[in-house]
Amino acid sequence: GESVGLHLPTLSVQEGDNSIINCAYSNSASDYFIWYKQESGKGPQFIIDIRSNMDKRQGQRVTVLLNKTVKHLSLQIAATQPGDSAVYFCAESMNSGYSTLTFGKGTMLLVSP
Amino acid sequence: DVKVTQSSRYLVKRTGEKVFLECVQDMDHENMFWYRQDPGLGLRLIYFSYDVKMKEKGDIPEGYSVSREKKERFSLILESASTNQTSMYLCASSLLSGMNTEAFFGQGTRLTVV
Repeated sequence: GESVGLHLPTLSVQEGDNSIINCAYSNSASDYFIWYKQESGKGPQFIIDIRSNMDKRQGQRVTVLLNKTVKHLSLQIAATQPGDSAVYFCAESMNSGYSTLTFGKGTMLLVSP
Repeated sequence: DVKVTQSSRYLVKRTGEKVFLECVQDMDHENMFWYRQDPGLGLRLIYFSYDVKMKEKGDIPEGYSVSREKKERFSLILESASTNQTSMYLCASSLLSGMNTEAFFGQGTRLTVV
């Protein structure tokens, strides 16, 4: 919603730039990771996921990198567009049993034309 | 197209009222979740359910209860609403297990308790 972005770290970029959003996750046993995008007034939407047996996965204009050694996840957005402006969350889970997602606090991406 | 639908976008309730937030999914998912989202705190899990009539506490269950009478419907109940329950509430669903545990979210319900 409109207040989601308050108190969040913010990344401001120009249209056409590449954006990198970072996330530190907490559980070394996590083996599944997702990036979500949340636009103002909407629920989170899936962007891309990655499993712990990979260190890189590419989608359309997006790439997720996973560094298990330092428990770090990043989302790279190529040729950022104004429509990419949103709050981005990383989420982690263990893909076993009754899996639940644990979310990071989010990063706001602001794209200027 | 997959869909998670929350019954209300905005609600205003009085302190002490009993509040029901309804969520329906059409994907035949086993798991359903209720999160609340607050500025600076991200999404926090209140309760989840992995089957009909089953429920598990999440990280912040106090002041809430849930009901899962049918597979497609998961209700969040505030027995006696308080002002500190003013928040954005998000429902989600996912497959129980398997290779893909992506969660699909509804559009959210912004609840204000006055």
